[in-house]
Amino acid sequence: AQTVTQSQPEMSVQEAETVTLSCTYDTSESDYYLFWYKQPPSRQMILVIRQEAYKQQNATENRFSVNFQKAAKSFSLKISDSQLGDAAMYFCAAPVTQGGSEKLVFGKGTKLTVNP
Amino acid sequence: SQTIHQWPATLVQPVGSPLSLECTVEGTSNPNLYWYRQAAGRGLQLLFYSVGIGQISSEVPQNLSASRPQDRQFILSSKKLLLSDSGFYLCAWRRSFNQPQHFGDGTRLSIL
Repeated sequence: AQTVTQSQPEMSVQEAETVTLSCTYDTSESDYYLFWYKQPPSRQMILVIRQEAYKQQNATENRFSVNFQKAAKSFSLKISDSQLGDAAMYFCAAPVTQGGSEKLVFGKGTKLTVNP
Repeated sequence: SQTIHQWPATLVQPVGSPLSLECTVEGTSNPNLYWYRQAAGRGLQLLFYSVGIGQISSEVPQNLSASRPQDRQFILSSKKLLLSDSGFYLCAWRRSFNQPQHFGDGTRLSIL
């Protein structure tokens, strides 16, 4: 089965510190993108960062970066200099193909708390 | 630029009543469209997706249905709502394979 696993239901970090959220996936795609989304209390789903699987360089967006290990099918999100506004649910997503159609599968999420 | 509109934002419906949630996308053509449901504190469950007008794929058997009457319009419906249909419903679109999905603001549906 093609799945996406986030093994940390909850994480906490002190303001200004760094935190890493884990994600593993299983896809049969050979050329694909991976995504991290943030869902704050407003429940909007906001794209945080995406990683192209055929690129060895890890993606970076300001304070957000990815540690992508293709062979291990691991795609973790690192948040540096954590801010109170980073508190949210974080979901990783990977593509799967079923019945000839490709779609994104989301993990169950990690709730991040930022302590002042 | 592309935008996605989803409405209503909040809906309270009695058990057994019908449902219609609408989602439209602007600024692009032939998007892939998706309906998700999210229970409180949980992940996203894909309900339906569509790669073109009139093409609907169902992920989970239930009393909900979806339709795509126009290229950029996606509708989630039910003839008779159940208590278990309560939740947060999200519509999303993306341009094509390997592109990120972009989400609407969601609908909070409460069934009484």
